[in-house]
Amino acid sequence: KQEVTQIPAALSVPEGENLVLNCSFTDSAIYNLQWFRQDPGKGLTSLLLIQSSQREQTSGRLNASLDKSSGRSTLYIAASQPGDSATYLCAVWDLSAAGNKLTFGGGTRVLVKP
Amino acid sequence: NAGVTQTPKFRILKIGQSMTLQCTQDMNHNYMYWYRQDPGMGLKLIYYSVGAGITDKGEVPNGYNVSRSTTEDFPLRLELAAPSQTSVYFCASNGFPSPNEQFFGPGTRLTVL
Repeated sequence: KQEVTQIPAALSVPEGENLVLNCSFTDSAIYNLQWFRQDPGKGLTSLLLIQSSQREQTSGRLNASLDKSSGRSTLYIAASQPGDSATYLCAVWDLSAAGNKLTFGGGTRVLVKP
Repeated sequence: NAGVTQTPKFRILKIGQSMTLQCTQDMNHNYMYWYRQDPGMGLKLIYYSVGAGITDKGEVPNGYNVSRSTTEDFPLRLELAAPSQTSVYFCASNGFPSPNEQFFGPGTRLTVL
């Protein structure tokens, strides 16, 4: 059974510092990995989608890497801003016999202090 | 495209009442999902569907029912509401196999008193 872990559970940084968020998964036979952002009381917004054949994806200040062999993904957010404060979740899609669906990590709650 | 829409946004139920949470997507996605998220907790999969007429249980299906008569709609039915069903409910759809990106609705906040 796939398990996804995000460490740390919470992170506080001063504005301008780079953010590094970690995601690990136990079964490397994944189809893709997706990073989401969730603001308090809101739904999930897709940030980046990395296919299993890719090693990284970039969007603006966001860069996500994927290392399937070691079961890890890292989300980098450059030059953090207070507006980046949110919970960030990673999820993997694996084509297991249990059904085609995402397995989510518990999330990292980020606070960027002005 | 409106994406994934959910109604209602908020609802308060009394114990034993029933209701249907509505979910519609306009992206022609075959895959649709219902999750619940309790305060400070992660997402738990309730039910999912890989196409019209096909549904399957997730991690926490007890107390819920679903149907999928069209590609666009995936309603979630709560029968005999209980306080343990107080939660935020999210519907999502996925364009698997391509593009295999998941999109979420804004959520329905349900309180059972």
